[in-house]
Amino acid sequence: GEQVEQRPPHLSVREGDSAVITCTYTDPNSYYFFWYKQEPGASLQLLMKVFSSTEINEGQGFTVLLNKKDKRLSLNLTAAHPGDSAAYFCAVFRNNYAQGLTFGLGTRVSVFP
Amino acid sequence: EAAVTQSPRNKVAVTGGKVTLSCNQTNNHNNMYWYRQDTGHGLRLIHYSYGAGSTEKGDIPDGYKASRPSQENFSLILELATPSQTSVYFCASGDEGAHSDYTFGSGTRLLVI
Repeated sequence: GEQVEQRPPHLSVREGDSAVITCTYTDPNSYYFFWYKQEPGASLQLLMKVFSSTEINEGQGFTVLLNKKDKRLSLNLTAAHPGDSAAYFCAVFRNNYAQGLTFGLGTRVSVFP
Repeated sequence: EAAVTQSPRNKVAVTGGKVTLSCNQTNNHNNMYWYRQDTGHGLRLIHYSYGAGSTEKGDIPDGYKASRPSQENFSLILELATPSQTSVYFCASGDEGAHSDYTFGSGTRLLVI
């Protein structure tokens, strides 16, 4: 089945700098991807869902890039601020959709002044 | 507002005891999921369901049962709880089709002593 590798596991970022989290997946037929943010003790908050038809997706304070050739999905936090301190998870839609999502292991981001 | 509600939020159980975690969704989604979240493992799928009356094994079903008595409710049952089942459990619901949305509950923190 689908395997998702997420790097790095931890990231310290100075306020105002950018940060990149990368996920690689194995199934070349995967076409639907998610990024979630999880603050300590909280549930998962959807940041963005991405379809394979679009390689660049922009959100508020971040950009998601999809490289289908390399089977790589990345989240770029632009101009990090303290509110970005959280765990971030990528997830890939399983082609047998009722099985939901396969998650990466997560990246814990800390933004310091 | 459509939502996924889990209960209890926190639970302490004794080894060998029976534990039932409950999940209710008002999204009218056919598919529901139980995940556990552990440090170093991300979110892993335990059981899922296509609809009322159905339960299917996910990636790590051993030691767990599930029950879907209605569209809205999906329970996770630990018949004989063990300390290795200490974790945070998340319920989610999902729509059908290629553009599914997934909504997560707030999580249940289970400690088995």
